[in-house]
Amino acid sequence: AQSVTQLDSQVPVFEEAPVELRCNYSSSVSVYLFWYVQYPNQGLQLLLKYLSGSTLVESINGFEAEFNKSQTSFHLRKPSVHISDTAEYFCAVKKAGNTPLVFGKGTRLSVIA
Amino acid sequence: EAGVVQSPRYKIIEKKQPVAFWCNPISGHNTLYWYRQNLGQGPELLIRYENEEAVDDSQLPKDRFSAERLKGVDSTLKIQPAELGDSAVYLCASSIGQADEAFFGQGTRLTVV
Repeated sequence: AQSVTQLDSQVPVFEEAPVELRCNYSSSVSVYLFWYVQYPNQGLQLLLKYLSGSTLVESINGFEAEFNKSQTSFHLRKPSVHISDTAEYFCAVKKAGNTPLVFGKGTRLSVIA
Repeated sequence: EAGVVQSPRYKIIEKKQPVAFWCNPISGHNTLYWYRQNLGQGPELLIRYENEEAVDDSQLPKDRFSAERLKGVDSTLKIQPAELGDSAVYLCASSIGQADEAFFGQGTRLTVV
Protein backbone atom coordinates (compact mmCIF):
# COMPACT_ATOMS: atom_id res chain seq x y z
CA ALA A 1 0.00 0.00 0.00
CA GLN A 2 1.08 3.55 -0.61
CA SER A 3 1.62 6.13 2.11
CA VAL A 4 2.58 9.78 2.25
CA THR A 5 4.48 11.61 4.95
CA GLN A 6 4.41 15.37 5.18
CA LEU A 7 7.13 16.17 7.63
CA ASP A 8 5.92 19.60 8.72
CA SER A 9 2.42 20.18 10.04
CA GLN A 10 2.87 23.97 10.09
CA VAL A 11 5.24 26.27 8.23
CA PRO A 12 5.26 30.01 9.04
CA VAL A 13 7.17 32.18 6.58
CA PHE A 14 7.52 35.88 5.93
CA GLU A 15 6.10 37.38 2.76
CA GLU A 16 8.50 37.30 -0.20
CA ALA A 17 10.67 34.65 1.47
CA PRO A 18 11.22 31.23 -0.14
CA VAL A 19 9.43 28.15 1.17
CA GLU A 20 9.75 24.39 0.85
CA LEU A 21 7.02 21.97 1.93
CA ARG A 22 8.34 18.47 2.28
CA CYS A 23 6.68 15.28 1.08
CA ASN A 24 7.97 11.73 1.12
CA TYR A 25 6.08 8.73 -0.14
CA SER A 26 6.29 4.99 0.19
CA SER A 27 5.34 2.61 -2.58
CA SER A 28 6.63 -0.61 -4.07
CA VAL A 29 5.31 0.27 -7.53
CA SER A 30 5.36 3.24 -9.86
CA VAL A 31 3.20 6.11 -8.68
CA TYR A 32 1.77 9.42 -9.76
CA LEU A 33 2.27 12.35 -7.39
CA PHE A 34 0.12 15.38 -6.71
CA TRP A 35 0.02 18.55 -4.64
CA TYR A 36 -3.39 19.92 -3.72
CA VAL A 37 -4.13 23.23 -1.98
CA GLN A 38 -7.08 23.88 0.31
CA TYR A 39 -8.09 27.43 1.16
CA PRO A 40 -10.28 27.99 4.25
CA ASN A 41 -13.75 26.48 3.89
CA GLN A 42 -12.99 25.32 0.36
CA GLY A 43 -12.49 22.00 -1.33
CA LEU A 44 -9.15 20.79 -2.59
CA GLN A 45 -7.71 22.25 -5.78
CA LEU A 46 -4.99 20.63 -7.81
CA LEU A 47 -1.77 22.65 -7.70
CA LEU A 48 0.49 20.43 -9.80
CA LYS A 49 1.11 16.82 -10.67
CA TYR A 50 3.81 14.46 -11.80
CA LEU A 51 2.78 11.58 -14.06
CA SER A 52 5.90 10.97 -16.15
CA GLY A 53 8.62 12.78 -18.10
CA SER A 54 10.42 15.78 -16.67
CA THR A 55 10.88 15.40 -12.95
CA LEU A 56 10.38 19.14 -12.37
CA VAL A 57 6.79 20.28 -12.63
CA GLU A 58 5.43 23.80 -12.24
CA SER A 59 2.14 25.45 -11.42
CA ILE A 60 0.77 28.65 -12.91
CA ASN A 61 1.19 30.58 -9.66
CA GLY A 62 4.91 30.04 -9.17
CA PHE A 63 5.06 26.78 -7.25
CA GLU A 64 7.23 23.92 -8.43
CA ALA A 65 7.90 20.38 -7.25
CA GLU A 66 10.59 17.90 -8.14
CA PHE A 67 10.10 14.16 -8.25
CA ASN A 68 13.11 12.37 -6.76
CA LYS A 69 12.75 8.65 -7.17
CA SER A 70 15.88 7.70 -5.25
CA GLN A 71 14.77 9.73 -2.23
CA THR A 72 11.07 8.97 -2.76
CA SER A 73 10.32 12.65 -2.37
CA PHE A 74 8.16 15.26 -4.07
CA HIS A 75 8.92 18.50 -2.23
CA LEU A 76 7.00 21.67 -3.09
CA ARG A 77 8.86 24.97 -3.41
CA LYS A 78 8.19 28.59 -4.14
CA PRO A 79 10.97 31.20 -4.35
CA SER A 80 8.85 34.08 -3.05
CA VAL A 81 5.54 33.61 -1.24
CA HIS A 82 2.57 35.96 -1.05
CA ILE A 83 -0.03 36.48 1.64
CA SER A 84 -2.53 34.80 -0.68
CA ASP A 85 -0.53 31.55 -0.53
CA THR A 86 -1.70 31.02 3.05
CA ALA A 87 -3.53 27.68 2.92
CA GLU A 88 -3.29 23.98 3.69
CA TYR A 89 -1.20 21.96 1.25
CA PHE A 90 -1.67 18.25 0.74
CA CYS A 91 0.68 15.85 -0.99
CA ALA A 92 -0.98 12.80 -2.52
CA VAL A 93 0.07 9.63 -4.32
CA LYS A 94 -1.70 7.08 -6.45
CA LYS A 95 -0.61 3.91 -8.16
CA ALA A 96 -0.72 3.71 -11.90
CA GLY A 97 -4.04 2.22 -12.84
CA ASN A 98 -7.52 2.94 -11.57
CA THR A 99 -6.75 3.54 -7.93
CA PRO A 100 -7.64 6.32 -5.48
CA LEU A 101 -5.46 9.12 -4.17
CA VAL A 102 -3.78 8.59 -0.82
CA PHE A 103 -3.16 11.85 1.01
CA GLY A 104 -0.67 13.06 3.56
CA LYS A 105 -1.84 14.85 6.69
CA GLY A 106 -1.22 18.26 5.21
CA THR A 107 1.03 21.23 5.90
CA ARG A 108 -0.44 24.54 6.95
CA LEU A 109 1.48 27.36 5.28
CA SER A 110 1.09 30.72 7.01
CA VAL A 111 2.55 33.73 5.23
CA ILE A 112 3.32 36.61 7.55
CA ALA A 113 3.31 40.22 6.35
CA GLU B 1 -17.75 23.55 -17.10
CA ALA B 2 -19.43 23.16 -13.74
CA GLY B 3 -17.38 21.59 -11.00
CA VAL B 4 -18.32 18.93 -8.50
CA VAL B 5 -21.38 20.10 -6.59
CA GLN B 6 -22.11 19.01 -3.05
CA SER B 7 -24.97 19.78 -0.72
CA PRO B 8 -25.53 20.79 1.92
CA ARG B 9 -22.41 22.83 2.74
CA TYR B 10 -23.01 22.59 6.46
CA LYS B 11 -25.08 20.25 8.61
CA ILE B 12 -25.54 20.14 12.37
CA ILE B 13 -27.40 17.18 13.83
CA GLU B 14 -27.84 15.50 17.16
CA LYS B 15 -26.20 12.15 17.74
CA LYS B 16 -28.24 9.11 16.78
CA GLN B 17 -30.00 11.06 14.04
CA PRO B 18 -29.63 10.16 10.34
CA VAL B 19 -27.97 12.43 7.80
CA ALA B 20 -27.44 12.35 4.05
CA PHE B 21 -25.06 14.12 1.72
CA TRP B 22 -25.47 14.58 -2.00
CA CYS B 23 -22.89 14.88 -4.76
CA ASN B 24 -23.18 15.72 -8.45
CA PRO B 25 -19.90 14.97 -10.24
CA ILE B 26 -18.53 16.68 -13.31
CA SER B 27 -20.38 15.58 -16.42
CA GLY B 28 -18.67 12.65 -18.10
CA HIS B 29 -16.61 11.64 -15.07
CA ASN B 30 -17.20 7.94 -14.54
CA THR B 31 -15.21 7.66 -11.30
CA LEU B 32 -16.64 9.13 -8.10
CA TYR B 33 -15.05 9.20 -4.66
CA TRP B 34 -16.25 9.99 -1.17
CA TYR B 35 -13.54 11.08 1.25
CA ARG B 36 -13.75 12.02 4.92
CA GLN B 37 -11.47 14.73 6.27
CA ASN B 38 -11.10 14.97 10.02
CA LEU B 39 -9.90 18.21 11.56
CA GLY B 40 -6.20 18.70 10.95
CA GLN B 41 -5.91 15.60 8.78
CA GLY B 42 -5.75 14.72 5.12
CA PRO B 43 -8.75 13.24 3.32
CA GLU B 44 -9.29 9.50 3.71
CA LEU B 45 -11.16 7.44 1.15
CA LEU B 46 -14.51 6.02 2.18
CA ILE B 47 -15.76 4.60 -1.10
CA ARG B 48 -14.99 4.72 -4.82
CA TYR B 49 -17.42 4.14 -7.67
CA GLU B 50 -16.78 3.22 -11.26
CA ASN B 51 -20.01 4.24 -12.94
CA GLU B 52 -22.68 2.74 -10.66
CA GLU B 53 -20.49 0.01 -9.18
CA ALA B 54 -18.74 0.43 -5.83
CA VAL B 55 -15.26 -0.92 -6.55
CA ASP B 56 -13.58 0.00 -3.27
CA ASP B 57 -15.58 0.32 -0.07
CA SER B 58 -13.14 -1.33 2.29
CA GLN B 59 -12.86 1.81 4.45
CA LEU B 60 -16.60 2.46 4.69
CA PRO B 61 -18.00 1.67 8.17
CA LYS B 62 -20.83 -0.44 6.86
CA ASP B 63 -22.67 -0.74 10.14
CA ARG B 64 -23.78 2.88 9.91
CA PHE B 65 -22.64 4.25 6.55
CA SER B 66 -24.20 3.54 3.18
CA ALA B 67 -23.77 5.02 -0.25
CA GLU B 68 -25.35 4.74 -3.64
CA ARG B 69 -24.76 6.08 -7.11
CA LEU B 70 -27.89 5.73 -9.13
CA LYS B 71 -27.46 5.55 -12.92
CA GLY B 72 -23.76 6.19 -12.50
CA VAL B 73 -24.15 9.96 -12.02
CA ASP B 74 -25.25 11.54 -8.72
CA SER B 75 -24.34 9.92 -5.45
CA THR B 76 -25.59 10.04 -1.88
CA LEU B 77 -23.77 9.14 1.29
CA LYS B 78 -25.82 8.35 4.37
CA ILE B 79 -25.01 7.92 8.03
CA GLN B 80 -27.54 6.28 10.33
CA PRO B 81 -27.26 6.74 13.22
CA ALA B 82 -24.66 9.47 13.48
CA GLU B 83 -22.10 9.45 16.28
CA LEU B 84 -20.06 12.29 17.76
CA GLY B 85 -16.94 10.93 16.04
CA ASP B 86 -18.54 11.35 12.64
CA SER B 87 -18.01 15.11 12.83
CA ALA B 88 -15.81 15.89 9.83
CA VAL B 89 -15.83 17.33 6.33
CA TYR B 90 -17.16 14.91 3.74
CA LEU B 91 -15.63 15.49 0.33
CA CYS B 92 -16.86 14.21 -2.99
CA ALA B 93 -14.52 14.02 -5.98
CA SER B 94 -14.70 12.78 -9.54
CA SER B 95 -12.27 11.89 -12.31
CA ILE B 96 -12.38 10.74 -15.91
CA GLY B 97 -9.93 7.91 -15.86
CA GLN B 98 -7.11 6.18 -14.14
CA ALA B 99 -4.33 8.71 -14.49
CA ASP B 100 -6.33 11.88 -14.23
CA GLU B 101 -6.41 13.96 -11.12
CA ALA B 102 -9.54 14.04 -9.04
CA PHE B 103 -11.66 17.19 -8.95
CA PHE B 104 -13.12 17.96 -5.54
CA GLY B 105 -16.32 19.59 -4.41
CA GLN B 106 -16.38 22.13 -1.58
CA GLY B 107 -17.39 19.50 0.92
CA THR B 108 -20.07 19.12 3.54
CA ARG B 109 -19.05 20.03 7.07
CA LEU B 110 -20.92 17.76 9.48
CA THR B 111 -21.14 18.57 13.15
CA VAL B 112 -22.70 15.97 15.43
CA VAL B 113 -23.72 17.30 18.85
